[in-house]
Amino acid sequence: NAGVTQTPKFQVLKTGQSMTLQCAQDMNHNSMYWYRQDPGMGLRLIYYSASEGTTDKGEVPNGYNVSRLNKREFSLRLESAAPSQTSVYFCASRWPGETGNTIYFGEGSWLTVV
Amino acid sequence: LAKTTQPISMDSYEGQEVNITCSHNNIATNDYITWYQQFPSQGPRFIIQGYKTKVTNEVASLFIPADRKSSTLSLPRVSLSDTAVYYCLVGAGNTGKLIFGQGTTLQVKP
Repeated sequence: NAGVTQTPKFQVLKTGQSMTLQCAQDMNHNSMYWYRQDPGMGLRLIYYSASEGTTDKGEVPNGYNVSRLNKREFSLRLESAAPSQTSVYFCASRWPGETGNTIYFGEGSWLTVV
Repeated sequence: LAKTTQPISMDSYEGQEVNITCSHNNIATNDYITWYQQFPSQGPRFIIQGYKTKVTNEVASLFIPADRKSSTLSLPRVSLSDTAVYYCLVGAGNTGKLIFGQGTTLQVKP
């Protein structure tokens, strides 16, 4: 049981390049999330998907797009990377029908934009 | 969405009990209170969750007063390995949108 798996773990991009961060969960969770965490800072919600087929903006959606490909997979795309998007990106998922806020995080993807 | 406020940082010594308080004045009726722990270079992990009164598990206790406008995470007899950032999260299972606060950096000293 892998839980939440993110790829790649590390990536260096040049300004203006595009890339997609992949996330997959094997826990049959309905809700999935993308957060970013800048050095020494807290977690900020970029986008989330409450269920398959739906996506919604979080706190900092500008510069990003997401796709909920199926129940398992939720990808995050940077169309034109900027140095301000240098961060650690965490994908997370939540148990369907679970009351409360128990969410499970992946190990993170370290992105540097130069 | 309920906004949370926590102390930015706390220091403690090994073997002491640590209490971290989170304020959430506009908590909604169906909101739960959940605490997470994050080590450097890792994703946050669930510690404990509660709705009201007191909850205890093998690693921590969570105290929630009757008005639910605050909560206190209690870590008994901390060790160096408890040095981490602790987040309080308030929300309901059916809203989808989960916003983390700034977190509390706990430094445990020998």
